[in-house]
Amino acid sequence: EAQVTQNPRYLITVTGKKLTVTCSQNMNHEYMSWYRQDPGLGLRQIYYSMNVEVTDKGDVPEGYKVSRKEKRNFPLILESPSPNQTSLYFCASSARGGVLRNEQFFGPGTRLTVL
Amino acid sequence: QQPVQSPQAVILREGEDAVINCSSSKALYSVHWYRQKHGEAPVFLMILLKGGEQKGHDKISASFNEKKQQSSLYLTASQLSYSGTYFCGTDDTTSGTYKYIFGTGTRLKVLA
Repeated sequence: EAQVTQNPRYLITVTGKKLTVTCSQNMNHEYMSWYRQDPGLGLRQIYYSMNVEVTDKGDVPEGYKVSRKEKRNFPLILESPSPNQTSLYFCASSARGGVLRNEQFFGPGTRLTVL
Repeated sequence: QQPVQSPQAVILREGEDAVINCSSSKALYSVHWYRQKHGEAPVFLMILLKGGEQKGHDKISASFNEKKQQSSLYLTASQLSYSGTYFCGTDDTTSGTYKYIFGTGTRLKVLA
């Protein structure tokens, strides 16, 4: 089954404790992306990757890191989480990015609470 | 700058029609529409690639006017299953990057 998986689905942590949210897709997609969703602010892109070893900032990259060492995986790293990073996070992938983009497939989401 | 959607929220009775608009301050090459049900991930509905193009998906259709930098989503004879938040989205082709931006969202609730 074609899918995007994220782990963990729920996470409660404390300020400053490094954490990683994993994302994996099995569709051989080139483009992968991380979004955060906050009430009243909609979905905002954090980082994206056009392919292996190619990553770039989205609109809200501060406080986050990403890596793309393999095509299928795109982990999101919070090196020193703060309460303002409490949010619902979605990983997504599409076959291509840019003007040739087709649909994005989303993971189930990770609800993060930083105390 | 996010595309702005209107209305922000709408309540319908089953069988009624609705129109959701998406307006961008930047040039649009394409527009995508997604629906997100409460507690779930967004799900793709359709892509519109050409100016003036209309596409349909069951009783949901959309138009795209690239000159006006606008797209509209039409929900005909709404069903309970149409409830959710609708987002338009587009590639930020004017920034020289491969960013993707979603619109502000429209909450739709269909009542029996």
